[in-house]
Amino acid sequence: AQSVTQLDSQVPVFEEAPVELRCNYSSSVSVYLFWYVQYPNQGLQLLLKYLSGSTLVKGINGFEAEFNKSQTSFHLRKPSVHISDTAEYFCAGLIQGAQKLVFGQGTRLTINP
Amino acid sequence: DTGVSQDPRHKITKRGQNVTFRCDPISEHNRLYWYRQTLGQGPEFLTYFQNEAQLEKSRLLSDRFSAERPKGSFSTLEIQRTEQGDSAMYLCASTSGASGYNEQFFGPGTRLTVL
Repeated sequence: AQSVTQLDSQVPVFEEAPVELRCNYSSSVSVYLFWYVQYPNQGLQLLLKYLSGSTLVKGINGFEAEFNKSQTSFHLRKPSVHISDTAEYFCAGLIQGAQKLVFGQGTRLTINP
Repeated sequence: DTGVSQDPRHKITKRGQNVTFRCDPISEHNRLYWYRQTLGQGPEFLTYFQNEAQLEKSRLLSDRFSAERPKGSFSTLEIQRTEQGDSAMYLCASTSGASGYNEQFFGPGTRLTVL
């Protein structure tokens, strides 16, 4: 199946704690991978993307992700979260041979003070 | 504001009515996408345009749905004879170039509620 799977629907963390949001992709998804963030009542915004090259990708707002081909994963991390990081996070991949993205189900990140 | 805009932001309609949504992409972007997002799910691809040509449609896009991009600028998505299952957020995104891996810029969405 052509899919992207986000393993956690919700992740609660305390402010200033590290966080990891997990994403796995199927073999029929290409290795063009993306993380988008959706703040309440706003459109999706690109955090970072992996196309090729270094497997550690740095994005906006202090986020980074690591592409792991052997584990077909593209987990998102931040060493210290802030209240303003409260949002829904979506992992997405480009379908092999197509021009469209397939999204995971999303992970709601909740930051507790 | 030069981002992607969508109109209306919210639409409440009765079952069986027709609705039309508009998307204005970033002006120099030649590619435009429509997605549908239901509660608790990620966006699902519906269709995309390269300039005025509609190049792909998802199986989710039943014959009640039609999308146009007549001059390669703004796009409309029409749903005829709406059903309660059509209730969702409809997202529009645009990008430049001919490669799917270019960043897609998303609008704020149109939330449709079918009563």
